[in-house]
Amino acid sequence: DTEVTQTPKHLVMGMTNKKSLKCEQHMGHRAMYWYKQKAKKPPELMFVYSYEKLSINESVPSRFSPECPNSSLLNLHLHALQPEDSALYLCASSQGGFSGANVLTFGAGSRLTVL
Amino acid sequence: KQEVTQIPAALSVPEGENLVLNCSFTDSAIYNLQWFRQDPGKGLTSLLLIQSSQREQTSGRLNASLDKSSGRSTLYIAASQPGDSATYLCVRGYQKVTFGTGTKLQVIP
Repeated sequence: DTEVTQTPKHLVMGMTNKKSLKCEQHMGHRAMYWYKQKAKKPPELMFVYSYEKLSINESVPSRFSPECPNSSLLNLHLHALQPEDSALYLCASSQGGFSGANVLTFGAGSRLTVL
Repeated sequence: KQEVTQIPAALSVPEGENLVLNCSFTDSAIYNLQWFRQDPGKGLTSLLLIQSSQREQTSGRLNASLDKSSGRSTLYIAASQPGDSATYLCVRGYQKVTFGTGTKLQVIP
């Protein structure tokens, strides 16, 4: 298995809803990432987990809450989002712990629309 | 601030042309350089990876080179096809992973 699987592919939610994005990989990778991508822009790093510990939080608002229950699974819990949070959310993974030398494997993304 | 710039930002070519996409980084220090393609609204597909000890990598019609001294990488696409239409991103791996600004390619049948 050489894939990063993201679910759901599309999510529409209201500003008062609570929802979650899920990311799964079975490549034995020990670093997992959440990126946010707005239209016509490169992905922006949000969070990095390394060996199931949060290594990087790029000053992301607390309405986004990451969780790494085990080495294969990464969640992004969403609560009280704003319309400007609408974007493509990308999950990635890499071998070993986090470092700048990591080679990234991306999922297909979850398209989030906040009404 | 470490920046990665891709030129051109957009490119439109007729089918069959050979083309070159450019990627430059302000700090020539590098661990690796990855090239990805992204179709609209989709995830990133890895095309080629060049480690800092390598000069180039090839996969089919794609060839990527790395010149650390000048802080540049190029992606060469031979005999372009409409299916090559996508946004191409280079990603520099060093202390942080830094994405380039992207080149949107359209290959016209």
